[in-house]
Amino acid sequence: GAVVSQHPSRVICKSGTSVKIECRSLDFQATTMFWYRQFPKQSLMLMATSNEGSKATYEQGVEKDKFLINHASLTLSTLTVTSAHPEDSSFYICSARGRELFFGSGTQLSVL
Amino acid sequence: SQQGEEDPQALSIQEGENATMNCSYKTSINNLQWYRQNSGRGLVHLILIRSNEREKHSGRLRVTLDTSKKSSSLLITASRAADTASYFCATDSGFQKLVFGTGTRLLVSP
Repeated sequence: GAVVSQHPSRVICKSGTSVKIECRSLDFQATTMFWYRQFPKQSLMLMATSNEGSKATYEQGVEKDKFLINHASLTLSTLTVTSAHPEDSSFYICSARGRELFFGSGTQLSVL
Repeated sequence: SQQGEEDPQALSIQEGENATMNCSYKTSINNLQWYRQNSGRGLVHLILIRSNEREKHSGRLRVTLDTSKKSSSLLITASRAADTASYFCATDSGFQKLVFGTGTRLLVSP
């Protein structure tokens, strides 16, 4: 079964609203989780590294005020897309580092 | 950008044929991994090859790694229609922070 649960799998929202995506490690503790974004027919681009109990490390060009990451526990990291706009429509996927690296199943965000 | 390059971008073959995808990367690595992604879905880990390994097999998959050329290849033998997907290489330079390649879209026709 899945060892990393990502929720929701699909979300449609209106422009200007905020959307929260959860990434949970189910049977292991993950001090580090990663968030990726994938545009259609493109590769996965690392957005940020989420560290439990500390601030996330964002990749160059990713707005930290736009994409809020909270890693409040060893099994949960959340990505909040604030004031979402159509250009934020994308596939977001997380991974969690245990003894191995496990990926969530992804969230398809569509902003109208 | 540190992103790796893959070629071809797209590959169309018949069932039973072999499919070869190539990946080039830019930095020193601890390991290189290959993933598969069906359209609009999550990633499936296929195989990991460490920097001190040159070749690895898993079922119908064969992966090679040439660290001097910073390149890797994935060979799928006797392909099936169910192998149709996008394939990505990903390099790990430490701490499992993966940098993905641009991907190859494989279409296997019955």
